[in-house]
Amino acid sequence: TQLLEQSPQFLSIQEGENLTVYCNSSSVFSSLQWYRQEPGEGPVLLVTVVTGGEVKKLKRLTFQFGDARKDSSLHITAAQPGDTGLYLCAGVYGANSKLTFGKGITLSVRP
Amino acid sequence: EPEVTQTPSHQVTQMGQEVILRCVPISNHLYFYWYRQILGQKVEFLVSFYNNEISEKSEIFDDQFSVERPDGSNFTLKIRSTKLEDSAMYFCASSSDSQETQYFGPGTRLLVL
Repeated sequence: TQLLEQSPQFLSIQEGENLTVYCNSSSVFSSLQWYRQEPGEGPVLLVTVVTGGEVKKLKRLTFQFGDARKDSSLHITAAQPGDTGLYLCAGVYGANSKLTFGKGITLSVRP
Repeated sequence: EPEVTQTPSHQVTQMGQEVILRCVPISNHLYFYWYRQILGQKVEFLVSFYNNEISEKSEIFDDQFSVERPDGSNFTLKIRSTKLEDSAMYFCASSSDSQETQYFGPGTRLLVL
């Protein structure tokens, strides 16, 4: 059974600060997705990473996939209150198509 | 932008009753999935479906669960005899290929009393 760990579990920061959160696994991902989920809603895709070392940017969000494809990070520059939410990483292992989710990172950005 | 839709948004049922949750995947997608999320817990895989058959299922997906693609657009999850512990958000997802990004619907909140 693959385990996918996200850290930190909770993060509360002031508007304007930078932050980095992490997603780690003991197994190699075929691909990894980051989603954002609002309460009572479905996960909304932010990015998919596939290639080891890949970096993708989405406005103030920077996603990096580890060289060994076992970990990923999400960096937010100059966080805003609108960034508040639950950030989920989910990976695919091997030839399977099912997504294995982490528990998520609850981010709170104070004005 | 194409999106996955789900109905109903909320469903309340009595224990032992049958429920059918409905999904309309993105129109050119071929792979379909159901996941569930119990309140406060992580999203869990239930089943994947391709070419009119189940391609993979989890331990959660026992004989009480079934999936169907009754026509060219709908994808359904049936729970034959609901239990209290089936109370959860149920998410449908679809992808264009087995290794491609999965797009999620808004979910159906199921409450079993």
